[in-house]
Amino acid sequence: EPEVTQTPSHQVTQMGQEVILRCVPISNHLYFYWYRQILGQKVEFLVSFYNNEISEKSEIFDDQFSVERPDGSNFTLKIRSTKLEDSAMYFCASSELQGGGYTFGSGTRLTVV
Amino acid sequence: GENVEQHPSTLSVQEGDSAVIKCTYSDSASNYFPWYKQELGKGPQLIIDIRSNVGEKKDQRIAVTLNKTAKHFSLHITETQPEDSAVYFCAAILNTNAGKSTFGDGTTLTVKP
Repeated sequence: EPEVTQTPSHQVTQMGQEVILRCVPISNHLYFYWYRQILGQKVEFLVSFYNNEISEKSEIFDDQFSVERPDGSNFTLKIRSTKLEDSAMYFCASSELQGGGYTFGSGTRLTVV
Repeated sequence: GENVEQHPSTLSVQEGDSAVIKCTYSDSASNYFPWYKQELGKGPQLIIDIRSNVGEKKDQRIAVTLNKTAKHFSLHITETQPEDSAVYFCAAILNTNAGKSTFGDGTTLTVKP
């Protein structure tokens, strides 16, 4: 069964550093998403991406964040100048259809120290 | 924006009993309602979904019902098994909203053997 692959599974970074979280969506999917989940809390929308541009972003997704699909297969989330409160699980998801069910990756646990 | 409320936050049942999780949504224009199961350390996995033109959908031991008038939908798991123990999330999607999902807070289901 096709999978969404995320790397790394766990990233520890110093406060103020930049991190890049990587995702390989399912190959025939067209819609890509980043969500985050702070420990014990709900899954929160960050950004959606379609046709090589951002479709929608949440209030969380400020200038500190950016996304890119550099080579037609990878989908990355960059977090600049990380803060302690950025510590969370970050999930990448993709879907074949707009408004369809997602396939989520296993997530990257980001710990900012 | 859309707001999804999910109840209960925790649910404990005996193996073989049924479990019901309920969600309400606020935006009557939402038209797609997936349910995800999240096991420890993994990403959410789509288990069943329903679109607004359907009132009920069943897949083996799981079923989802939708009441558009009341803006609520429910997940029903029959003949529960210990491996059903996980966190379950409901979500609502507005098709025109770039496929962005609004998630409920999650229900931790424990099935006791």
